Amino acid sequence: AQSVTQLGSHVSVSEGALVLLRCNYSSSVPPYLFWYVQYPNQGLQLLLKYTSAATLVKGINGFEAEFKKSETSFHLTKPSAHMSDAAEYFCAVTSYSSASKIIFGSGTRLSIRP
Amino acid sequence: GAVVSQHPSWVICKSGTSVKIECRSLDFQATTMFWYRQFPKQSLMLMATSNEGSKATYEQGVEKDKFLINHASLTLSTLTVTSAHPEDSSFYICSASEGDGLNYGYTFGSGTRLTVV
Repeated sequence: AQSVTQLGSHVSVSEGALVLLRCNYSSSVPPYLFWYVQYPNQGLQLLLKYTSAATLVKGINGFEAEFKKSETSFHLTKPSAHMSDAAEYFCAVTSYSSASKIIFGSGTRLSIRP
Repeated sequence: GAVVSQHPSWVICKSGTSVKIECRSLDFQATTMFWYRQFPKQSLMLMATSNEGSKATYEQGVEKDKFLINHASLTLSTLTVTSAHPEDSSFYICSASEGDGLNYGYTFGSGTRLTVV
């Protein structure tokens, strides 16, 4: 079985500050990990994904995440927050053995203070 | 890039009626489509996985007779909520992948807000 845990249902940072959204995973097989962003009443947009290649993954909009097997983590970061980054962020996991089903974390709402 | 169109974006229906939600892949052939349900301020819960030409595989606890899924072509999957009740009110999102989603990626529709009154 696979699962992801997102620490912190709500994170608030000042504009220009570092964004750090935490995600820990559990998987008995090599995981594939994703970060998605969701704006109100919209679907999900892929920010980045880890597929067993480079452990540091760069995504869109200046986001990046690092896969750390020893810590079973896949935290999302961005050096400088913009107001437009305010949204809901979901960490997700899947694997070849899971029939490509994606399991989502509970989500983290990111707020940006002016 | 890959685009998935979901329609309608919102719908209000009376209790006891049925509602159909469409999910179309516009520029690729979606061999697999997924249907999710999202309650307010909560995560996405996978309801079912559908492969073109096959019966959908439902997750545990999801009523097959209530949530009818049809994936008749490589570009279209539909979710029909039958005899809808207020507790079925939710945000429904579809996702599609071309072949192996791990390599080709998963593309999400924009979601459908269903309100049953």
